[in-house]
Amino acid sequence: GALVYQYPRRTICKSGTSMRMECQAVGFQATSVAWYRQSPQKTFELIALSTVNSAIKYEQNFTQEKFPISHPNLSFSSMTVLNAYLEDRGLYLCGASSQNTLYFGAGTRLSVL
Amino acid sequence: AQSVDQPDAHVTLSEGASLELRCSYSYSAAPYLFWYVQYPGQSLQFLLKYITGDTVVKGTKGFEAEFRKSNSSFNLKKSPAHWSDSAKYFCALEATGGNNKLTFGQGTVLSVIP
Repeated sequence: GALVYQYPRRTICKSGTSMRMECQAVGFQATSVAWYRQSPQKTFELIALSTVNSAIKYEQNFTQEKFPISHPNLSFSSMTVLNAYLEDRGLYLCGASSQNTLYFGAGTRLSVL
Repeated sequence: AQSVDQPDAHVTLSEGASLELRCSYSYSAAPYLFWYVQYPGQSLQFLLKYITGDTVVKGTKGFEAEFRKSNSSFNLKKSPAHWSDSAKYFCALEATGGNNKLTFGQGTVLSVIP
């Protein structure tokens, strides 16, 4: 299957600070990258869908001002969590699309102190 | 708007038994349907998908799922179950057209007792 590297695996940040996570598709061209969050004891919520050469589409309750995303080419995407607070903690996944299937990275687990 | 329901939060069975994890969906058109598995502390791993054609799809790790349009279901099956199948399983739906926007169910925690 397709490989998706995501880093860092874990990060801890102080409340009110920001952190950036990166996603790399290996061996295939990811025309779309989807960023999801799994909050504690919950399922996966779509934050935004990024397609190269198209505008990034954010879901309700998520904004570019809070979660800016960069998707400069077919193998790389990054997302920043700005001014992180307790409610932002969770597992952030990037999914890169290959042949109508989203393949997910290992995730970045964000803890907020 | 679409939705996915996994009615069983937990399923427990003995190794060697047959497993079936339930998934139903609500969507007005023909959906793309997926199953993913999340092992403890890990990310989501793709198991299988239904796009079109044969309603029984086979995936990795010996799993298969059957798409039933009549009752809007996409149940995951495996026989026999192995203790290593213990994990959390997520059913997901993608709207027709392959826009890569998945709607996930709440997940089912499967415990297989050796």
